[in-house]
Amino acid sequence: DTAVSQTPKYLVTQMGNDKSIKCEQNLGHDTMYWYKQDSKKFLKIMFSYNNKELIINETVPNRFSPKSPDKAHLNLHINSLELGDSAVYFCASSQREGGTEAFFGQGTRLTVV
Amino acid sequence: AQSVSQHNHHVILSEAASLELGCNYSYGGTVNLFWYVQYPGQHLQLLLKYFSGDPLVKGIKGFEAEFIKSKFSFNLRKPSVQWSDTAEYFCAVNSGGSNYKLTFGKGTLLTVNP
Repeated sequence: DTAVSQTPKYLVTQMGNDKSIKCEQNLGHDTMYWYKQDSKKFLKIMFSYNNKELIINETVPNRFSPKSPDKAHLNLHINSLELGDSAVYFCASSQREGGTEAFFGQGTRLTVV
Repeated sequence: AQSVSQHNHHVILSEAASLELGCNYSYGGTVNLFWYVQYPGQHLQLLLKYFSGDPLVKGIKGFEAEFIKSKFSFNLRKPSVQWSDTAEYFCAVNSGGSNYKLTFGKGTLLTVNP
């Protein structure tokens, strides 16, 4: 009954590879996000989607391409991985209106070698 | 643009000590304010939130926070910390009425020594 689930939890890959991270929420929320947490624990928003529509793209390199097949899913595809992409990626969801809190997934620790 | 600053990078306390973590935000309009906690190796969990009403909000595990509009602050407090409170604490803000962007502070690592 996990509210926001991401897979995989750990991902180790070589530079130049392409990889995807999947995210699903069963909360019925309209809005989903991807956040990147760097080695200093700083959390920075990457993308925000509302009802499958891209709302925010925070100057993320276009090697990162989010895809939302429906409002319960927001996947993240990364092309040509670089060392600097190593981080923990968190998916989250929230209701659009009313300022409700965001619920976070467990995170995906991506290590690029 | 909204931004959040957390004054303390790392706070070290002994058990039973009182805690106050500072958070200031910059945004001219209506805001929603949050404190999240991240235990080692885990995801973020909500401690408490403020949308409107009583500026003193109580959250889980004995935490509380006070919204002071004139100071643009939302400091987190706990009267007596426990070893299990060791974690990273994040203050966050989004503009009222829209959840498209939740902006986080850089976090404060709290270490509680037994």
